[in-house]
Amino acid sequence: EDKVVQSPLSLVVHEGDTVTLNCSYEVTNFRSLLWYKQEKKAPTFLFMLTSSGIEKKSGRLSSILDKKELFSILNITATQTGDSAVYLCAVDGETSGSRLTFGEGTQLTVNP
Amino acid sequence: NAGVMQNPRHLVRRRGQEARLRCSPMKGHSHVYWYRQLPEEGLKFMVYLQKENIIDESGMPKERFSAEFPKEGPSILRIQQVVRGDSAAYFCASALRALYTDTQYFGPGTRLTVL
Repeated sequence: EDKVVQSPLSLVVHEGDTVTLNCSYEVTNFRSLLWYKQEKKAPTFLFMLTSSGIEKKSGRLSSILDKKELFSILNITATQTGDSAVYLCAVDGETSGSRLTFGEGTQLTVNP
Repeated sequence: NAGVMQNPRHLVRRRGQEARLRCSPMKGHSHVYWYRQLPEEGLKFMVYLQKENIIDESGMPKERFSAEFPKEGPSILRIQQVVRGDSAAYFCASALRALYTDTQYFGPGTRLTVL
């Protein structure tokens, strides 16, 4: 059975701090890894990663995948209160159908 | 271009009633996924459908739950004889599933409360 583990489960920081969120996985037939941001509503897509070592970047957020060690990290620099959310990591581990297997999420709280 | 639409956003049912949740995928998307998020838990896959076909229902409870995605109209997740344990947020996602563009985009969810 596919498995995704995120750490830490919760994190409290001050505005301006840099945070690193971790995601490790065990899947058969890996296809992609996705990061979503969830703020009391729909998970919002952030990144899709398919290749090792290639950093995806969007503003203050960046992410990278290591397919050899089976993990990904999501970095957020110069955090703002609006970054407070649950960050979800999911893997697409099927060759057909492609259901997503989600981790439990990391609850990030950014205090002013 | 409208995103994934779900309705109702909130649904309250008494034990034993039926719940019908609707999902309209993004324009051009023909692949629909349903996920359930129980309180304090992560999203769990339920079912994957294409138009008029159930592709993977391995995450669906064997009884009381059914899903469809007709040729015309939204996808429907139906829960018969609801119980308190069915209280959760139900999210629908859609995907284009072209060769290199298969990101799943999520709707706002339906929050089901069973009294």
